Amino acid sequence: SAVISQKPSRDICQRGTSLTIQCQVDSQVTMMFWYRQQPGQSLTLIATANQGSEATYESGFVIDKFPISRPNLTFSTLTVSNMSPEDSSIYLCSVDSGGMNTEAFFGQGTRLTVV
Amino acid sequence: DAKTTQPPSMDCAEGRAANLPCNHSTISGNEYVYWYRQIHSQGPQYIIHGLKNNETNEMASLIITEDRKSSTLILPHATLRDTAVYYCIVRVMEYGNKLVFGAGTILRVKS
Repeated sequence: SAVISQKPSRDICQRGTSLTIQCQVDSQVTMMFWYRQQPGQSLTLIATANQGSEATYESGFVIDKFPISRPNLTFSTLTVSNMSPEDSSIYLCSVDSGGMNTEAFFGQGTRLTVV
Repeated sequence: DAKTTQPPSMDCAEGRAANLPCNHSTISGNEYVYWYRQIHSQGPQYIIHGLKNNETNEMASLIITEDRKSSTLILPHATLRDTAVYYCIVRVMEYGNKLVFGAGTILRVKS
């Protein structure tokens, strides 16, 4: 299994500002993903963080709002830009090998509140 | 969109087996069924996965019907700490093997 560390664990931010969330894994992984979980809702995939290239975004999510970096096989960042109260959510990092028969692992999430 | 359907909530008495159903009638032959759970304010935790044979590990058992259109997650002796949202997920090749979460089942274990 992989151990995933997300920072910060929670934050309260002013609208209009940006927050960068870090995801560190204790081993090299092929695939890294970012999810959003709005209050009382299930998880929604934001994007796949690709090592050495631009992230692949899901429908409804754009790079200008959620820029993602992945400089190596153990680290990724997600930035939530120009925040509004609607961005208040839990943001989760996930890692796996990308195979059909392998489990994915999740970080504990970053609880973001925008005021 | 998620390819699974689960009841929104279930109750279970502490010490009893919790049987959580999941329908995945459009599953393809090489797509796996995964189960995760999310305890309040934590990241999802992997429980078990399978293709067509029944699977068992230290946490749970997974029973997949012969036609693979449905499955049941069994927690053999539920405890209060098993209260969580349980997600049944079909890992879909056309989605690039990504995990697409549905609404899940809220399991409440009661003493």
